[in-house]
Amino acid sequence: ELKVEQNPLFLSMQEGKNYTIYCNYSTTSDRLYWYRQDPGKSLESLFVLLSNGAVKQEGRLMASLDTKARLSTLHITAAVHDLSATYFCAAYSGGGADGLTFGKGTHLIIQP
Amino acid sequence: DGGITQSPKYLFRKEGQNVTLSCEQNLNHDAMYWYRQDPGQGLRLIYYSQIVNDFQKGDIAEGYSVSREKKESFPLTVTSAQKNPTAFYLCASAQPRDSKTSGNTIYFGEGSWLTVV
Repeated sequence: ELKVEQNPLFLSMQEGKNYTIYCNYSTTSDRLYWYRQDPGKSLESLFVLLSNGAVKQEGRLMASLDTKARLSTLHITAAVHDLSATYFCAAYSGGGADGLTFGKGTHLIIQP
Repeated sequence: DGGITQSPKYLFRKEGQNVTLSCEQNLNHDAMYWYRQDPGQGLRLIYYSQIVNDFQKGDIAEGYSVSREKKESFPLTVTSAQKNPTAFYLCASAQPRDSKTSGNTIYFGEGSWLTVV
């Protein structure tokens, strides 16, 4: 059974600082997703990582994937208040099941 | 515009009552999914369907039922057997992951809030 663990689950940081969110998954998965969720809203797709060593960047966010370590990271550079949200990573389940297995999310607060 | 439409956005259920959440997509996707989100938690898969007239149980299917009579529609019924239905429900769609035309992205609707009264 695929399990996805994120850490930290809660992060408060100041604007201008850098930080990394970690996502570990327990079994082989061929895709890793990162989503953003604002309070009371749906999920917004940020990145899809498909292969070992994949790195994608959008603005102040950069995601990477190490399939050998079963680890993905979401790095925030020079954080700004608008990035405050909950960030989820998700991996595809193995075997016959379809659909994504989600981590519990990282609640990120960026203070001015 | 292409997208996924969920309705209603807010729904109240009385004890012992069945309620149905609607999910419609015009993205021409084959695969559709229903997830449940509890406060402060990640999403958990309820049911999924990869093709019309076929669907499979996810991790927490007990107390729920679905149908897939049309490609664009995947309604979820929360039955009276679901003892703790209060949650945020999200519908999603995608091309199947083995599809040669897969764009890899899974799209989510805006969600439906269900509360038991």
